[in-house]
Amino acid sequence: ETGVTQTPRHLVMGMTNKKSLKCEQHLGHNAMYWYKQSAKKPLELMFVYNFKEQTENNSVPSRFSPECPNSSHLFLHLHTLQPEDSALYLCASSQQSSGVANEKLFFGSGTQLSVL
Amino acid sequence: SQKIEQNSEALNIQEGKTATLTCNYTNYSPAYLQWYRQDPGRGPVFLLLIRENEKEKRKERLKVTFDTTLKQSLFHITASQPADSATYLCALYNTNAGKSTFGDGTTLTVKP
Repeated sequence: ETGVTQTPRHLVMGMTNKKSLKCEQHLGHNAMYWYKQSAKKPLELMFVYNFKEQTENNSVPSRFSPECPNSSHLFLHLHTLQPEDSALYLCASSQQSSGVANEKLFFGSGTQLSVL
Repeated sequence: SQKIEQNSEALNIQEGKTATLTCNYTNYSPAYLQWYRQDPGRGPVFLLLIRENEKEKRKERLKVTFDTTLKQSLFHITASQPADSATYLCALYNTNAGKSTFGDGTTLTVKP
């Protein structure tokens, strides 16, 4: 186990549904991330939270809405998704230290999302 | 434009041989480079990190080199085993951007 838990593991939703992905890290890290992994494409960074504050929004459509209530939990709220949003959504965490570049990422197992 | 290329989509080798995977990049000045392993249906797992001022790093059967002149990193697995079969990802940390960018990955298959 990596110390990062994602639920659910699999999700099938219609384009009009609203659902949420959940991520919890037990590592005491202060940064959390959402990545999207589509078939045959590299990992795409979506959102970054440092100390619960969003520091990166990588031009992600507004139908994806992140929430970070505390440094251990991260959510990704989904609404009116498109079939091309079907992908593996990965959560990761890391320990960011001031002045030290050390972005070793710990990933969860991901949520395999299918949009019908 | 910035680009990260991993040598090939798939690499097949015989058990016991050394697997060598390549990560080439253009228009980056990475502070460090990381290698991850990803198994089907799982998230990537961190393996090794090498900084721009380091030439080589080792961990058990793994060795990573980093040549900032050639803009290339090589990832070696010696005495490979079927259990080493997985997809291996390189990631470059860009200090200016403050984040890592991943390559497409190379899927390694080690045959008994």
